[in-house]
Amino acid sequence: EVQLVESGGGLVQPGGSLRLSCAASGFTFSSYYMHWVRQAPGKGPVWVSRINSDGTSTTYADSVKGRFTISRDNAKNTVYLQMNSLRAEDTAVYYCAWFGGGNPYWGQGTLVTVSS
Amino acid sequence: DIVMTQSPDSLAVSLGERATINCKSSQSVLYSSNNKNSLVWYQQKPGQPPKVLIYWASTRESGVPDRFSGSGSGTDFTLTISSLQAEDVAVYYCQQYYNIPLTFGGGTKVEIK
Repeated sequence: EVQLVESGGGLVQPGGSLRLSCAASGFTFSSYYMHWVRQAPGKGPVWVSRINSDGTSTTYADSVKGRFTISRDNAKNTVYLQMNSLRAEDTAVYYCAWFGGGNPYWGQGTLVTVSS
Repeated sequence: DIVMTQSPDSLAVSLGERATINCKSSQSVLYSSNNKNSLVWYQQKPGQPPKVLIYWASTRESGVPDRFSGSGSGTDFTLTISSLQAEDVAVYYCQQYYNIPLTFGGGTKVEIK
């Protein structure tokens, strides 16, 4: 059974940093791209970032480029999202997602609140 | 970026009646390599993550009731709920995974009339 479990969310002040983690199981993690998607309160989901299978290639949404860094540890079956210079508009539930063989899997999400 | 346009924004349907949601992409999401459309439909209820209903535009996810069906190809897609049940009240999203950035429709809120 595929499982994606996010952690690391919380309340942070504007300008602060957080690192999110997503522990994956139930599939050959090291063979696949992984994604982060976020959803602000009352809004639709928005794609944030993607990393390739060996971690050598990353892509970001314009809204987070230069502030967020995606990485992975294939030995730990974990993907990370380092978030720096956080803004109020980064407040959202952050989900990791795997698109596998075409059918998507999402985790339960972790809430990030940026507020003073 | 591929723009996904959903319609309508909201929909009120009587119990047992059909609900139809449309999704249009600004360019084709048909993979020539496998002749499949990279289009997924989600259902989202308050406080829950999006739940996959349909992927590859028309493949029902395991465990999803057969009253949910997806159709369409290229740029025009439809999610149909053949007989609306009370538990189907939710927001529905389409999303393309043809290329990056992954993009979502604006959502359709389905309610009981």
